[in-house]
Amino acid sequence: LAKTTQPISMDSYEGQEVNITCSHNNIATNDYITWYQQFPSQGPRFIIQGYKTKVTNEVASLFIPADRKSSTLSLPRVSLSDTAVYYCLGGGDYKLSFGAGTTVTVRA
Amino acid sequence: NAGVTQTPKFQVLKTGQSMTLQCAQDMNHEYMSWYRQDPGMGLRLIHYSVGAGITDQGEVPNGYNVSRSTTEDFPLRLLSAAPSQTSVYFCASTMNTEAFFGQGTRLTVV
Repeated sequence: LAKTTQPISMDSYEGQEVNITCSHNNIATNDYITWYQQFPSQGPRFIIQGYKTKVTNEVASLFIPADRKSSTLSLPRVSLSDTAVYYCLGGGDYKLSFGAGTTVTVRA
Repeated sequence: NAGVTQTPKFQVLKTGQSMTLQCAQDMNHEYMSWYRQDPGMGLRLIHYSVGAGITDQGEVPNGYNVSRSTTEDFPLRLLSAAPSQTSVYFCASTMNTEAFFGQGTRLTVV
């Protein structure tokens, strides 16, 4: 399982774009990079997953450079309801390894 | 479609008591797993299963047992509860590296 490092916390304001960068220097060739979101008192929820380049869905974008040693989750125009903990995971199977994540606080 | 259902949502146990946390999924996923989350920390893998009849240990298995008699159910048993097992427990079922989590069971051992 790839070891990931991400900032402990980030603050933002409503309407801004939030970018969270995760480093995963030892990611294996077959590993995907996956991001989860967790609200208080709830289980984590899958946001987005990618292998390389850029992936976009209705919630976020994920940018992965060619060397795959890092990735950036981009949340466009955040709202108060985006306040949550965001986890970056590197792996290729069902055994997930969660770090402490990044606590994103969105203020009005 | 209920997804992953955990029961109970809250539980208080006395030290030494045993109990079973229930987890059921209706997505026909082969892979299921149990995690615990302590305050301010990420989730840690307790046990996992790759299919009915097959289980294995995760990162923190001591004090817990699991079984997988059907694809749908993956109960977690606490053999003799200890205060160190006070935590929030999450069950997940996984398909193609995307995990679906239950709402969690908040367990307090006094």
